[in-house]
Amino acid sequence: QVQLVQSGAEVKKPGASVKVSCKASGYTFTGYYIHWVRQAPGQGLEWMGWINPNSGGTDYAQKFQGRVTMTRDTSINTAYMELSWLRSDDTAVYYCARASGTTAYYWGRGTLVTVSS
Amino acid sequence: QSALTQPASVSGSPGQSITISCTGTSSDVGSYNLVSWYQQHPGKAPKLMIYEVTKRPSGVSNRFSGSKSGNTASLTISGLQAEDEADYYCCSYAGSSSLVFGGGTKLTVL
Repeated sequence: QVQLVQSGAEVKKPGASVKVSCKASGYTFTGYYIHWVRQAPGQGLEWMGWINPNSGGTDYAQKFQGRVTMTRDTSINTAYMELSWLRSDDTAVYYCARASGTTAYYWGRGTLVTVSS
Repeated sequence: QSALTQPASVSGSPGQSITISCTGTSSDVGSYNLVSWYQQHPGKAPKLMIYEVTKRPSGVSNRFSGSKSGNTASLTISGLQAEDEADYYCCSYAGSSSLVFGGGTKLTVL
């Protein structure tokens, strides 16, 4: 069965970077895009971007351009999302999701990133 | 892109039907039949309920249906059940390889 296992919770200081991993299993990793979506406490979902694990090509939401980098390692079926220059309002749960086109069918359980001095 | 507009909350009694609207623009909802709906229970990851406006993934109850007219998409839940109580989010392709979510709607089953 399709599984997306995300890395554990992180606590970071403002200005630092965080790298969240998403290990896929149960399907051909290079066959489906991975989306990254975040959710601040008590807030709605926010799309951050996606990566094509086959080519490594990415598209990022305009809001995160210059601060986010999505990568993958096909040898271990893992996608990564790195967010730099963290601010307190980056405190959120970060989800990865396997997509077919624009539809996110399978989601990871989320990774809580807390930004606090 | 600006978030799609959803009502903050809707409610209904068991057995009733409710509809959640999702209003965008001619640049997103109005231009593409690529609207999806996600259900999210507290503390859980979102779950896909509807994709490409009207399609239902395997395993999702046929009580859930989707539609679109102009710049507004809608999710209808018929025969409301207690377990339907959750937050619901719409999402649309917005062109230029980007997606946009709605602000979310809290469904209360009375």
